[in-house]
Amino acid sequence: GESVGLHLPTLSVQEGDNSIINCAYSNSASDYFIWYKQESGKGPQFIIDIRSNMDKRQGQRVTVLLNKTVKHLSLQIAATQPGDSAVYFCAENIKAAGNKLTFGGGTRVLVKP
Amino acid sequence: DSGVTQTPKHLITATGQRVTLRCSPRSGDLSVYWYQQSLDQGLQFLIQYYNGEERAKGNILERFSAQQFPDLHSELNLSSLELGDSALYFCASSSGLQQYFGPGTRLTVT
Repeated sequence: GESVGLHLPTLSVQEGDNSIINCAYSNSASDYFIWYKQESGKGPQFIIDIRSNMDKRQGQRVTVLLNKTVKHLSLQIAATQPGDSAVYFCAENIKAAGNKLTFGGGTRVLVKP
Repeated sequence: DSGVTQTPKHLITATGQRVTLRCSPRSGDLSVYWYQQSLDQGLQFLIQYYNGEERAKGNILERFSAQQFPDLHSELNLSSLELGDSALYFCASSSGLQQYFGPGTRLTVT
């Protein structure tokens, strides 16, 4: 079933190409950031995280970039595959304010074969 | 599979009714979080419990309440339900910063 609203920005990408998903966060005091992937009918699944003392972190086929100056976060997916089709959310956290996550609105990624 | 379980998977009820959603965290996780995901609001933090005590509160309505039991499972109680309460309700658990989400409960209020 649908997990998010009708007005999500959508990124269409050809299979095998790289994907870049952007996120603007709101609070300059945020010190921890996470990217989640949500497939239809499922809960958000952790992809990668980054602390505010870093500007880049790499995982398997994914890279997160953090630009604190402009409060911008991006997720790069290399060699996008059909299984990457999902909604992607960034989330920010302020440790001093407890561990509650504030989620961005999400981006839908559609991978074309 | 995140290790977080939620029941029921689907719930259909009428306006004015009360429902209870249940969450079992991952083994060893002391923190439980509840989130609401609706079509027009995205994912919204509701409340956090840590080892049985309320730790943080978000945009949770007064008609909603939660608790965490000694065995660390948690329940979210929604009362006087309105049409606008129809949404996916997710539970997450953590032992550190990273939160692991359950599969959610889809609530439909008719």
